[in-house]
Amino acid sequence: DGGITQSPKYLFRKEGQNVTLSCEQNLNHDAMYWYRQDPGQGLRLIYYSQIVNDFQKGDIAEGYSVSREKKESFPLTVTSAQKNPTAFYLCASSTALGGGSTDTQYFGPGTRLTVL
Amino acid sequence: QKEVEQNSGPLSVPEGAIASLNCTYSDRGSQSFFWYRQYSGKSPELIMSIYSNGDKEDGRFTAQLNKASQYVSLLIRDSQPSDSATYLCAVNDRGGYNKLIFGAGTRLAVHP
Repeated sequence: DGGITQSPKYLFRKEGQNVTLSCEQNLNHDAMYWYRQDPGQGLRLIYYSQIVNDFQKGDIAEGYSVSREKKESFPLTVTSAQKNPTAFYLCASSTALGGGSTDTQYFGPGTRLTVL
Repeated sequence: QKEVEQNSGPLSVPEGAIASLNCTYSDRGSQSFFWYRQYSGKSPELIMSIYSNGDKEDGRFTAQLNKASQYVSLLIRDSQPSDSATYLCAVNDRGGYNKLIFGAGTRLAVHP
């Protein structure tokens, strides 16, 4: 089955701890994204990547880091510098269109991070 | 600041009625428009994409796009209780390659 997997489903972080959220896709998509969703709010873009070994900051990148060493994988690290990390984290992927259009983004099941 | 605006709701409709969900966007040059459905505690799933002015129908769902008015809507015919969810409107961000801007969503409640 083609799709996007995220792990873990639930994650608990202690104060001052770094944690890494996994995102893997087997859709052969070039572009991958990380979003954060807070209760009752829309999705806010943290980081995105259009190609291996390249990524760009989104609207709320402070306190987060990513890597893109493989096309299939785009892990997100929530560092201790992120002061309010409790949220629902969503990974997405898409084909990379040009010409000003954007292709559909498909989402993984999400990771719910809670700070203890 | 580019924006996508949606009424947060809840929009309450009786079973079998038509639900009309609306979205406005600020970037006149946007070219790609998407509606996602998100059940509580779950991730968004695509309902419809639309790229050209006019209507696009898929089963009980119809997306309507009016670029001149910077307005996109989603109609759900014969609404069912299983349609109760939050509906997110997303519009492409021309300032960022392959980026989407999401609205905060409209919560739909279909009551029997």
